[in-house]
Amino acid sequence: QVQLVQSGAEVKKPGASVKVSCKASDYTFSDYMISWVRQAPGQGFQWMGWINPYNGDTNYAQKFQGRLTMTTDTSTSTAYMELRSLRSDDTAVHYCARLHCSTTTCSLDYWGQGTLVTVSS
Amino acid sequence: QSVLTQPPSVSAAPGQKVTISCSGSSSNIGNNLISWYQQLPGTAPKLLIYDNNKRPSGIPDRFSGSKSGTSATLGITGLQTGDEADYYCGTWSSSLTAVVFGGGTKLTVL
Repeated sequence: QVQLVQSGAEVKKPGASVKVSCKASDYTFSDYMISWVRQAPGQGFQWMGWINPYNGDTNYAQKFQGRLTMTTDTSTSTAYMELRSLRSDDTAVHYCARLHCSTTTCSLDYWGQGTLVTVSS
Repeated sequence: QSVLTQPPSVSAAPGQKVTISCSGSSSNIGNNLISWYQQLPGTAPKLLIYDNNKRPSGIPDRFSGSKSGTSATLGITGLQTGDEADYYCGTWSSSLTAVVFGGGTKLTVL
């Protein structure tokens, strides 16, 4: 059974950085891109970007350009999401999800359990 | 503000049927396949429907999806109290190379 297991909750001060991990199991890690999606309290989903573990290619949402970095470690089948210069409006549950793509479209077929990042002074 | 538009809430009685709509444009829904996600209270989202109308293994056939033009619909029959959740539509945006979402619809089973 495919699983994505994320690291635990984080509390950070404004201006700090956070790095969340997402460990994949029961599939070939390099065969699927990993996406990151976040959800502020009581809100919907916000797409952050994706990374291709096969070649390291990334695509970040414009909103996060310059302060977001996604990486992978194929030896441990783990994806990482680092967000810098944290602000209070970065407080959200951050999810990793596997991106399943066909020839014409993609969907998020497996999700991690989520990591709550709280930014507070 | 979400790219796709969903009603904020729908409700129906146990055993009844409900539909949830999702509208977009030719640049998203009109040229791509739709997926639907279910988020039960306090849990991570789960893929419910992909490629407009396909169900992943383990999803009961009470859940169905359809698409016409720039709109899509999720249908749920034989409603159960356990179906109370937030439902999100999503589709691939070729221009953004990203999944774009609706704002979510809260289903209440009265």
